[in-house]
Amino acid sequence: GQQLNQSPQSMFIQEGEDVSMNCTSSSIFNTWLWYKQDPGEGPVLLIALYKAGELTSNGRLTAQFGITRKDSFLNISASIPSDVGIYFCAGLLISGGGADGLTFGKGTHLIIQP
Amino acid sequence: NAGVMQNPRHLVRRRGQEARLRCSPMKGHSHVYWYRQLPEEGLKFMVYLQKENIIDESGMPKERFSAEFPKEGPSILRIQQVVRGDSAAYFCASSPPSGGPSTDTQYFGPGTRLTVL
Repeated sequence: GQQLNQSPQSMFIQEGEDVSMNCTSSSIFNTWLWYKQDPGEGPVLLIALYKAGELTSNGRLTAQFGITRKDSFLNISASIPSDVGIYFCAGLLISGGGADGLTFGKGTHLIIQP
Repeated sequence: NAGVMQNPRHLVRRRGQEARLRCSPMKGHSHVYWYRQLPEEGLKFMVYLQKENIIDESGMPKERFSAEFPKEGPSILRIQQVVRGDSAAYFCASSPPSGGPSTDTQYFGPGTRLTVL
């Protein structure tokens, strides 16, 4: 099955710094999604990318769908304490039978030091 | 609140008992997905359902696990004769009907944390 390699596994940064994380895959995906998960909660959608090369922003967050359709990155600018959490990339492959389940990366733990 | 609803939020079962997890999709959504998450791991796809139909169950264990999404009422993930290894967080997601905008975007519920003693 498809696998997503998400890096880094964890990040320790100072408040105000920019953050960058990425996902790569051996398979081509039709859609890339980025989620944030807080402890004890479900993933919350941050950004959805539907076309190769697409660059999308949501406030301080920017994500891009790689041209090869095998990778995506997420940037967070000027980090603040509430950015702490686990960030997951997820890819969706549309087969002939319709949408399948998402394939998730293992997550990037973001820890912000005041 | 028009978000994905899951209940219970926490469920404790003894080995051999049955666990029933419920999911109500977002209003207007007709696709439901179930995922399992182990500690420190990403979510793993289990099953994809539309009303009264299982579309893809490639991620479901072959035994003891079943899912349904009846014409009326929530989707149910059922685990029979639970074992300690079933302890995990189970998340439900929903997406809009096919053909509309953002069909591929899945929105998640808060999850059910199952603990098997």
